[in-house]
Amino acid sequence: LAKTTQPISMDSYEGQEVNITCSHNNIATNDYITWYQQFPSQGPRFIIQGYKTKVKNEVASLFIPADRKSSTLSLPRVSLSDTAVYYCLVGGDRDDKIIFGKGTRLHILP
Amino acid sequence: GAVVSQHPSWVICKSGTSVKIECRSLDFQATTMFWYRQFPKQSLMLMATSNEGSKATYEQGVEKDKFLINHASLTLSTLTVTSAHPEDSSFYICSALGIDRRTGYGYTFGSGTRLTVV
Repeated sequence: LAKTTQPISMDSYEGQEVNITCSHNNIATNDYITWYQQFPSQGPRFIIQGYKTKVKNEVASLFIPADRKSSTLSLPRVSLSDTAVYYCLVGGDRDDKIIFGKGTRLHILP
Repeated sequence: GAVVSQHPSWVICKSGTSVKIECRSLDFQATTMFWYRQFPKQSLMLMATSNEGSKATYEQGVEKDKFLINHASLTLSTLTVTSAHPEDSSFYICSALGIDRRTGYGYTFGSGTRLTVV
């Protein structure tokens, strides 16, 4: 399982775009990159998943460079409700257990 | 998308008693389920992996006789904390791996159970 490294915490303001970068230098060929969001006293919620290049959905974009050793989660125009912990996870096999890193605690200020 | 229902959402029990937490996959069959615990301000820590119809695989340092896991069907896994002590107080979260008709193959998490042992 590839180990991931993220910033421990980040602050931003409402309406700004927030980019959270995750390093995964040992990512394997069959590994996907998945980001989860967790609010206090709730289970993690799936945000986005990608393998290479760029992926976009209704809540976020995910940028993955060609070497796939890192990825960047982009949250457009954040609001106070985006204050949460964001986890970057790497894995591929269908029976892979998910090992969580420390995550990034994002705090959105008014 | 896929939904995992976890109950209860919170429970308070006396020291020495046992508590059962249920995790159900709705709208999809969960071939594998995972159980995590999370202490305040910390990340999720994997406790065990369970596959339907077989014994759970516990992570190093997790007492299998204390944290009993049963995965009797493709939609239900249970975690029983036996002889609970105050240090078992934590947030327990389950995750199901399975096929969802709309999102395909992936992981879905339950809403978590806050256990307080007094």
